[in-house]
Amino acid sequence: GAGVSQSPSNKVTEKGKDVELRCDPISGHTALYWYRQSLGQGLEFLIYFQGNSAPDKSGLPSDRFSAERTGGSVSTLTIQRTQQEDSAVYLCASSSQTGLFYEQFFGPGTRLTVL
Amino acid sequence: KNEVEQSPQNLTAQEGEFITINCSYSVGISALHWLQQHPGGGIVSLFMLSSGKKKHGRLIATINIQEKHSSLHITASHPRDSAVYICAVIETSGSRLTFGEGTQLTVNP
Repeated sequence: GAGVSQSPSNKVTEKGKDVELRCDPISGHTALYWYRQSLGQGLEFLIYFQGNSAPDKSGLPSDRFSAERTGGSVSTLTIQRTQQEDSAVYLCASSSQTGLFYEQFFGPGTRLTVL
Repeated sequence: KNEVEQSPQNLTAQEGEFITINCSYSVGISALHWLQQHPGGGIVSLFMLSSGKKKHGRLIATINIQEKHSSLHITASHPRDSAVYICAVIETSGSRLTFGEGTQLTVNP
């Protein structure tokens, strides 16, 4: 496809379960970002991948959160032992370069609800 | 104090009105984004700018680097412009976006 895709679009899980969220960036984009938008709050940065460099994990809220990017393309965000406060829309974005002048393109998001 | 602040938080306008949304930031930046988020949640990048002014259709974005301030203007507003408008900056120290809280715009017919 032409844009960033994410799956699933909606995920409902029980507290304590693990979840995996997937992001397919735009083909050829080397930078990939995960953001989170909690209900009634603004967007917050979670993690960023650029090529083969070590990811910037500084935004991950706890060690229950992890992400990987296989083959420089698809990324999976994993949340272990989910808590109710993890409920949010998780957004993925990609760009062709990092930093100055390169626009980020957003996916439609995955809405996670932890019961 | 947030690094990126927007005003107003909420804005209601009548169709046809000229609209301005403001964004102030306190950090050094390499670029600033204006994003639009519709009720369904999808986010679209409207502009990315590092200086001066950009125009696309009825939308105009300006930035003053010295004053650390940007504005998004909508001319001849229309109900379909109703959305949340988010200012986000790329800090000079990195590549990730730091977001403002957003401005909820409602344009009534």
